[in-house]
Amino acid sequence: DGGITQSPKYLFRKEGQNVTLSCEQNLNHDAMYWYRQDPGQGLRLIYYSQIVNDFQKGDIAEGYSVSREKKESFPLTVTSAQKNPTAFYLCASSTLQGGTSEQYFGPGTRLTVT
Amino acid sequence: RKEVEQDPGPFNVPEGATVAFNCTYSNSASQSFFWYRQDCRKEPKLLMSVYSSGNEDGRFTAQLNRASQYISLLIRDSKLSDSATYLCAVNLLNTGFQKLVFGTGTRLLVSP
Repeated sequence: DGGITQSPKYLFRKEGQNVTLSCEQNLNHDAMYWYRQDPGQGLRLIYYSQIVNDFQKGDIAEGYSVSREKKESFPLTVTSAQKNPTAFYLCASSTLQGGTSEQYFGPGTRLTVT
Repeated sequence: RKEVEQDPGPFNVPEGATVAFNCTYSNSASQSFFWYRQDCRKEPKLLMSVYSSGNEDGRFTAQLNRASQYISLLIRDSKLSDSATYLCAVNLLNTGFQKLVFGTGTRLLVSP
């Protein structure tokens, strides 16, 4: 089955610890994205990558880091510098071919930091 | 003004009703438009893209009004299973990267 996988589904961490969220896709999509969603708020873009070994900051990149060593993988690290890390994290991907860029989402990781 | 705005609802409708949501966007340079459906505590799923001429997929019809800068989603013959939050997304070409900006969503509750 083609799709986007994220793991784990739920993650609990103590404040001050870094944590890495996994995102893998087998859709052969060029672009990958990380969003966070908070209750009552829309999706906010954290980082995105259009090509391997290249990525750019989104609207709320502070306290996060990413890597794109393989086309299929785009892990997100939530560092201890992120002030409010508890949120629902969504990874998405899209092809860059054609005129539109429909994004498809993974099932998400719900991170709770206490 | 927010880049993309939606009425949060909830819209409470009985089964079989017709319901419509609007989504306004602020940037006239926006290029493409989408509706996503998000169930509680799940990821958004692409419902349909919105084309200039409007498009229909079964009970769902999407329209684009560029002059007034809004898109709409019409659901006919509502089903209980249509209960969800509907997110609109607007694609803005930004320095070569097509950034997708999401609204906060409109919640729909369909009751028996």
